[in-house]
Amino acid sequence: DAGVTQSPTHLIKTRGQQVTLRCSPISGHKSVSWYQQVLGQGPQFIFQYYEKEERGRGNFPDRFSARQFPNYSSELNVNALLLGDSALYLCASSLGGLAGGLVIYFGPGTRLLVL
Amino acid sequence: QKEVEQDPGPLSVPEGAIVSLNCTYSNSAFQYFMWYRQYSRKGPELLMYTYSSGNKEDGRFTAQVDKSSKYISLFIRDSQPSDSATYLCAMGSNSGYALNFGKGTSLLVTP
Repeated sequence: DAGVTQSPTHLIKTRGQQVTLRCSPISGHKSVSWYQQVLGQGPQFIFQYYEKEERGRGNFPDRFSARQFPNYSSELNVNALLLGDSALYLCASSLGGLAGGLVIYFGPGTRLLVL
Repeated sequence: QKEVEQDPGPLSVPEGAIVSLNCTYSNSAFQYFMWYRQYSRKGPELLMYTYSSGNKEDGRFTAQVDKSSKYISLFIRDSQPSDSATYLCAMGSNSGYALNFGKGTSLLVTP
């Protein structure tokens, strides 16, 4: 079975631009989470979606937004990019619900560089 | 004080050694305890998870949770060069939607 897939793998943008990152969860998983990992740090929680609804949001500005589609895939959008947004963006999927929401499986990530 | 503390290392051991990796935490509401392995420039891979307290074993890996001390450990027996990676601990609570990660410990197993 395929794991979590993300696209693109790498991206270079300039300050002020907008970016959209895409994620497909493991088959049968209904929840998608997004994390940001800066070099040398652990992943930081951005969003969790379950059954197409936002269930949780981390301490990130409104420039970050996301959505989940009927097929459970997800997009993360970041507007007005800053140099500090350069990071590895990780998508993770889980069964969701009360028992399965936090046992998450990560994709390979999208490496974003903002110049 | 961060909710999850993890010594970043690096930790260097010879092949075949027993490795002990540890994290401490401050939030007594944490019930989910995970260990992820991350190779360079890859996404984290879930190694083990424990709900509440106790020990869990999977092959060469053993995870321990001591909630009274707010301390979790991952032991790797008969370590191999292929175990060289960054190990991330992560924790979450029943009422939350996010995992809280440590910074990761960089492990190098030398042949």
